[in-house]
Amino acid sequence: DGGITQSPKYLFRKEGQNVTLSCEQNLNHDAMYWYRQDPGQGLRLIYYSQIVNDFQKGDIAEGYSVSREKKESFPLTVTSAQKNPTAFYLCASSPRELTQHFGDGTRLSIL
Amino acid sequence: KQEVTQIPAALSVPEGENLVLNCSFTDSAIYNLQWFRQDPGKGLTSLLLIQSSQREQTSGRLNASLDKSSGRSTLYIAASQPGDSATYLCAVASNYQLIWGAGTKLIIKP
Repeated sequence: DGGITQSPKYLFRKEGQNVTLSCEQNLNHDAMYWYRQDPGQGLRLIYYSQIVNDFQKGDIAEGYSVSREKKESFPLTVTSAQKNPTAFYLCASSPRELTQHFGDGTRLSIL
Repeated sequence: KQEVTQIPAALSVPEGENLVLNCSFTDSAIYNLQWFRQDPGKGLTSLLLIQSSQREQTSGRLNASLDKSSGRSTLYIAASQPGDSATYLCAVASNYQLIWGAGTKLIIKP
C-alpha cells in the first residue's frame, strides 16, 4: 500500500541530545513537509521541500534541521538548540498543489 | 499575513443532529481550502478540498462551502454519528504552503 511512514511513534530526548525523526513516502510525491502540533494550536510548518536536494524554512525552523537526499525520505533532526521540543510532529507529502497526505506522527517528549 | 480561525474550539452534540463547523481566513487570495479530520494521537485524513474557483464540495454526509469574498468556509455534517467524533481542521493553501486553523474538537454523544 502507498503511504507515509513516520518512525518512531514515540521518542524521548535527553538534555543536550539531538534526535532524528524519520519520514518515508512511497507515493512518488515531489513535496514533503514537517509540521509541529501543540495542544490547542494549528499545525505550524517547520521545513518543507519541493524537490530533492532542496528545502526551505517554514515559520518555526530554529532548532531543527532537515535533509532531502532522496525523493522518498525527509528526516527531521531536533537539535539541542530547540529548547521546547515536546510536541507532536507530523510529516506530510503532496503532489505539488494538491492535498497533503499525512503520516501518523511522532510524539517527542523530554526525559 | 494569512490567518485562519476556527470557531468553536469544541462542540458536543447528540447523535443524529446536523451540524456546521466554521473556518474563517483573512486573505482571500487562496489557491484552495481543505478540511481534514484528526483522530486522537493520529495523523490527518483529508476530507474535502475546494479549489478557489469552486463554491462547494460534497462527500457522503459531508458538504464544504467556500465564500472567498467573506473569507469563510463551512463544513456541514448531516445526521451525525458517534464515529464522527474527532478534531476537524481547515487549512488554506497558497504558495505551496498550508496555513492551519487550530481545529474544532467534535464530540457526538450516543
